[in-house]
Amino acid sequence: DIQMTQSPSAMSASVGDRVTITCRASQGIGNYLAWFQQRPGKVPQRVIYAISSLQSGVPLRFSGSGSGTEFTLTISSLQPEDFAIYYCLQHNSYPYTFGQGTRLEIK
Amino acid sequence: EVQLVESGGGLVQPGGYLRLSCEASGFAFSRYWMSWVRQAPGMGLDWVANIKHDGSERYFRDSVKGRFTISRDNARKSLYLQMNGLRAEDTGVYYCARESTSGIDAFDIWGRGTLVTVSS
Repeated sequence: DIQMTQSPSAMSASVGDRVTITCRASQGIGNYLAWFQQRPGKVPQRVIYAISSLQSGVPLRFSGSGSGTEFTLTISSLQPEDFAIYYCLQHNSYPYTFGQGTRLEIK
Repeated sequence: EVQLVESGGGLVQPGGYLRLSCEASGFAFSRYWMSWVRQAPGMGLDWVANIKHDGSERYFRDSVKGRFTISRDNARKSLYLQMNGLRAEDTGVYYCARESTSGIDAFDIWGRGTLVTVSS
């Protein structure tokens, strides 16, 4: 199975900060990498797909990058509604695997 | 409106069974791969299984192989997950998710989930 390791597991930041979350795959996954946001008690929502494609309706402050086995999600200027848990997902090979999640909290 | 609505969750004893359903609307269901993803209480997301648009291919995570079956009825725009031999570790919210027609653009639509509790 491909292991997806996210870092950090949790972080605190302030409104307006720039934050970066990293996801490392245990082997190459091509561009089959997506990022999801899950607010408390809510359904996961896709924010990025194919490494760097922005989901329709998601603010431009979200961006994704990377290649091979290392990928990042960046939020350029945190807004109050961005405080949530973020997960990466590889869907290149079976079983599909999610990262363990990064909890982004308000400082 | 593009929508997925799950149903069929509930409380079941260990060793028991449940059949989850997911009804799709607002898109061409028969063109899409579909997945089930679950989330144990307070935990992260785990992919469970998926099925090709025509039902000809199905894949499962190891921990559910031989116990869970995934199927679909394109005429009814519905996806199913038959869960047998349920264990406490199967407890969680089960989400139905739209994968893709082409592979890359996947998991864009999720249902609200249905809660499965396995307990005596």
